[in-house]
Amino acid sequence: DIQMTQSPSSLSASVEDRVTITCRASQSISSYLNWYQQKPGKAPKLLIYAASSLQSGVPSRFSGSGSGTDYTLTISSLQAEDFATYYCQQSYSIPQTFGQGTRVEIK
Amino acid sequence: EVQLVESGGGLVQPGGSLRLSCVASGFTFSTYWMHWVRQAPGEGLMWVSRINGDSDGTNYADSVKGRFTVSRDNAKNTLYLQMNSLRAEDTAIYYCARGVYGSGTHDHWGQGTLVTVSS
Repeated sequence: DIQMTQSPSSLSASVEDRVTITCRASQSISSYLNWYQQKPGKAPKLLIYAASSLQSGVPSRFSGSGSGTDYTLTISSLQAEDFATYYCQQSYSIPQTFGQGTRVEIK
Repeated sequence: EVQLVESGGGLVQPGGSLRLSCVASGFTFSTYWMHWVRQAPGEGLMWVSRINGDSDGTNYADSVKGRFTVSRDNAKNTLYLQMNSLRAEDTAIYYCARGVYGSGTHDHWGQGTLVTVSS
């Protein structure tokens, strides 16, 4: 199975901060990397697919980059509604696997 | 509008069985892979299973293989997860999700249904 390692596990940030979350795969996943946002008590929501494509309806302050084994989710200017947990997921091979999550909290 | 609505969760004793359902609407159900993903209380996401549109392709996580069976009824736009020999570690919210062909991305999710395995 491909292991997905996210860092950091949690972070504290202020509104309008730039936030970066990284995800590392245990082997190359050829940009089959997706990012999801989950708020408490809610289902995950797709933000970024194929490493850098923005899902329809997602604000442009979210962006993704990376290739091979290393990927990044960036929020260019954190907004109040962005405080949540973020997960990366590889869809390169079965079983699909998720990172452990990054909790973004208010400083 | 794409909608996925799960049901069938509840409290079940260890060793028991449960069948989850996920009713889909707003898209041509039969043309999409469908997935089950679960989340134990306070934990992260874990992929459980997937099935293709024709029901001739299925995959499972090792931890549920041989105990869980995914199926679908395209005439009813419904996805199922039959769960047998349930264990305490199967306790989780179970989500169904639509899979994007060719990428495995989950672009729409249901609200989830809670399964609790306890005596």
